[in-house]
Amino acid sequence: QKEVEQNSGPLSVPEGAIASLNCTYSDRGSQSFFWYRQYSGKSPELIMSIYSNGDKEDGRFTAQLNKASQYVSLLIRDSQPSDSATYLCAVNVKAAGNKLTFGGGTRVLVKP
Amino acid sequence: DTEVTQTPKHLVMGMTNKKSLKCEQHMGHRAMYWYKQKAKKPPELMFVYSYEKLSINESVPSRFSPECPNSSLLNLHLHALQPEDSALYLCASSQDLGSFDEQYFGPGTRLTVT
Repeated sequence: QKEVEQNSGPLSVPEGAIASLNCTYSDRGSQSFFWYRQYSGKSPELIMSIYSNGDKEDGRFTAQLNKASQYVSLLIRDSQPSDSATYLCAVNVKAAGNKLTFGGGTRVLVKP
Repeated sequence: DTEVTQTPKHLVMGMTNKKSLKCEQHMGHRAMYWYKQKAKKPPELMFVYSYEKLSINESVPSRFSPECPNSSLLNLHLHALQPEDSALYLCASSQDLGSFDEQYFGPGTRLTVT
């Protein structure tokens, strides 16, 4: 079982709709969770971090964390063509050494 | 300024060449990272420096040799690479080891080994 899993997509979303991305992780000791956006040929850019159960909103983005079920999700409201990118989920397990483990990424395509 | 710079942007090298990748940040960050990213794959951690000392080496082959000459600079020395080492090499920095909510990536060096 992979440590951090994401559906590779592509997730096709009409412009203006909500894109919903999911990520599951295997290590119950995971303490912090991150979503990165990566445009093709570019480097990853941090868009959200979440540390405790519940929702965290930042503009059009909402991160949701459920530690009991070991999943973290990202909602993108009012999706725009400029949101078309690969979204990487990353998890930090301090006990495993201070490093991030990335999921494989979900490719999102927002169609006008 | 939240910028991490990397040079060169692109590099083509033969299997017998020696080359170096450079990374620089002026944010006062004390942790610096090297990642390798193959096409359609996530970044894989290679090395982490904290306060200019090597903190993590993810069992990377010795043909990759990191160096942190000072708190702002991180180098990756390359020697006798294989074609499968062709990838995007990303440098990142964060305030301290593990402060990933303040981790910034550089634009990367796209390496091709022929």
